[in-house]
Amino acid sequence: SQKIEQNSEALNIQEGKTATLTCNYTNYSPAYLQWYRQDPGRGPVFLLLIRENEKEKRKERLKVTFDTTLKQSLFHITASQPADSATYLCALGEGGSYIPTFGRGTSLIVHP
Amino acid sequence: DGGITQSPKYLFRKEGQNVTLSCEQNLNHDAMYWYRQDPGQGLRLIYYSQIVNDFQKGDIAEGYSVSREKKESFPLTVTSAQKNPTAFYLCASKKRETSGYEQYFGPGTRLTVT
Repeated sequence: SQKIEQNSEALNIQEGKTATLTCNYTNYSPAYLQWYRQDPGRGPVFLLLIRENEKEKRKERLKVTFDTTLKQSLFHITASQPADSATYLCALGEGGSYIPTFGRGTSLIVHP
Repeated sequence: DGGITQSPKYLFRKEGQNVTLSCEQNLNHDAMYWYRQDPGQGLRLIYYSQIVNDFQKGDIAEGYSVSREKKESFPLTVTSAQKNPTAFYLCASKKRETSGYEQYFGPGTRLTVT
């Protein structure tokens, strides 16, 4: 069956360190992968999109990698700040289906 | 100020009553979506609409209904047939139904049915 796995345990890191979140998938052939940020009680906010033929994407302190062989995407936040504390969702979109499927999200807590 | 609005933010209903959640967008987006989010769960797609006067069922459409009479509006009705209606409901829109465009989400409506 198809699965998108994000670590259900919260990631706790110290301010200034790099946070790395993982999104693994099974039985998908994604054409693209998106990352969203969600704060408690609010709607998700789009951060980055990476396509199947791209290895890496960057935006300010954010970096996403996409390895279709490992079936994994890594989401990095460098020089993390307490304001980065939130839940981060990955979403996969397959070719021919334009509606992405969302993972459950991983909570990131950045300690000052 | 462009965006998506959902109202109300909190909604309380008695079991057996239908309730309609509002979603409006002024982004001129073609596609609109309704998701449900339960604690510890990913977003699950209820209904989506690619164009006015057309909509399709998502993965968990049973007990829900929608309409798309105007481009900017996509209301969701939670009927009494929905077995577990208490949840956080999110509306989203996308520029057009083409891969690669991000979804813009509203602030959500938390529905509690007792």
